[in-house]
Amino acid sequence: SQQGEEDPQALSIQEGENATMNCSYKTSINNLQWYRQNSGRGLVHLILIRSNEREKHSGRLRVTLDTSKKSSSLLITASRAADTASYFCATDASGATNKLIFGTGTLLAVQP
Amino acid sequence: DTEVTQTPKHLVMGMTNKKSLKCEQHMGHRAMYWYKQKAKKPPELMFVYSYEKLSINESVPSRFSPECPNSSLLNLHLHALQPEDSALYLCASSQGQWTSDEQFFGPGTRLTVL
Repeated sequence: SQQGEEDPQALSIQEGENATMNCSYKTSINNLQWYRQNSGRGLVHLILIRSNEREKHSGRLRVTLDTSKKSSSLLITASRAADTASYFCATDASGATNKLIFGTGTLLAVQP
Repeated sequence: DTEVTQTPKHLVMGMTNKKSLKCEQHMGHRAMYWYKQKAKKPPELMFVYSYEKLSINESVPSRFSPECPNSSLLNLHLHALQPEDSALYLCASSQGQWTSDEQFFGPGTRLTVL
């Protein structure tokens, strides 16, 4: 299965700390996206990184991609209680360009 | 308007009922998706419509029947469901049917099958 494996499965930190979550996948990809999901709600797109990019920033988010290791990381700096959510990486299914496969997710809890 | 709306928010149905889930977007997106999400699991793709035509069916049982009446609307017709079909059903849309396109998700319909 192409499904990404994310670790940790769960992460609890204090407000103001940084949170890092990792995604590993199995086959080559065209791009990788990160999404956030608040409890029982729809997903919100955070950032997309293409296979020829190594790092990308958006506000307090920093995403890296290492295609040689088939892995990506999402760093959230200066976390806030509002960042509490599940975070999913999503990749092309086996390199196909027409559908996304979501990883297992990391549940982030930011304590105020 | 960058919103995808879904109705109803909650649905409880028996195994012999017929019901429909509805999804709407007015962003001019040409691809629309249905996902199923069980608790503490990632969303799983069910169907993709591209330019109002079904382009992907992920081997979903026939008790789920999608319909795309026009480019803004997506329905999921439900019939003779099983208790294991209880889940959060998410609708999404994107500019086109490419994985480089950001997908916009609705809030979901939480379905309980008794």
